[in-house]
Amino acid sequence: KAGVTQTPRYLIKTRGQQVTLSCSPISGHRSVSWYQQTPGQGLQFLFEYFSETQRNKGNFPGRFSGRQFSNSRSEMNVSTLELGDSALYLCASRTAGTGYTGELFFGEGSRLTVL
Amino acid sequence: GQQVMQIPQYQHVQEGEDFTTYCNSSTTLSNIQWYKQRPGGHPVFLIQLVKSGEVKKQKRLTFQFGEAKKNSSLHITATQTTDVGTYFCAVYNNNDMRFGAGTRLTVKP
Repeated sequence: KAGVTQTPRYLIKTRGQQVTLSCSPISGHRSVSWYQQTPGQGLQFLFEYFSETQRNKGNFPGRFSGRQFSNSRSEMNVSTLELGDSALYLCASRTAGTGYTGELFFGEGSRLTVL
Repeated sequence: GQQVMQIPQYQHVQEGEDFTTYCNSSTTLSNIQWYKQRPGGHPVFLIQLVKSGEVKKQKRLTFQFGEAKKNSSLHITATQTTDVGTYFCAVYNNNDMRFGAGTRLTVKP
């Protein structure tokens, strides 16, 4: 069974640009969550999607957005990039929906550098 | 929402020494999970604790869930260099998972 796949793995952008990251969850997993990981802030929750609906959103500005497609693949977008957006962006999937508290399966991450 | 405080932030041990990381919450938790992230890697699920006072073991790793379900610990006996990485506790907040700050473990051979 293939794991969670994130693309691209590495990317470099300049301030003011925008970026789109992609995540393909494990087959059958309908919930996809996104996290930002930086050395100083740890793993910060961005948002969670289930069946194409955003169910929860973390404390991030509106420049951070996401969506989920009918095949459960998800994308996140960051517009007007700032230096502080440099981070590892991790996607995680899990099987079921409301009330399910099973484990998260993480992808390898997309490492974004903003210059 | 539910938040967890994790300590210590860093721990450096000599190979063969023991290691413990703690997570504490001000509210009662329904369950708690533990993850390990190797340097350069991604978090990998270790275990989930659900019951009050629960103790689970995985080889040299011992996980505990407090009686009041407000704290948890991960203890590694006789650390090895393969144990290096960051250990996170995590709890569900509605439908999403919130992580502790993590404890970074380094092991000197």
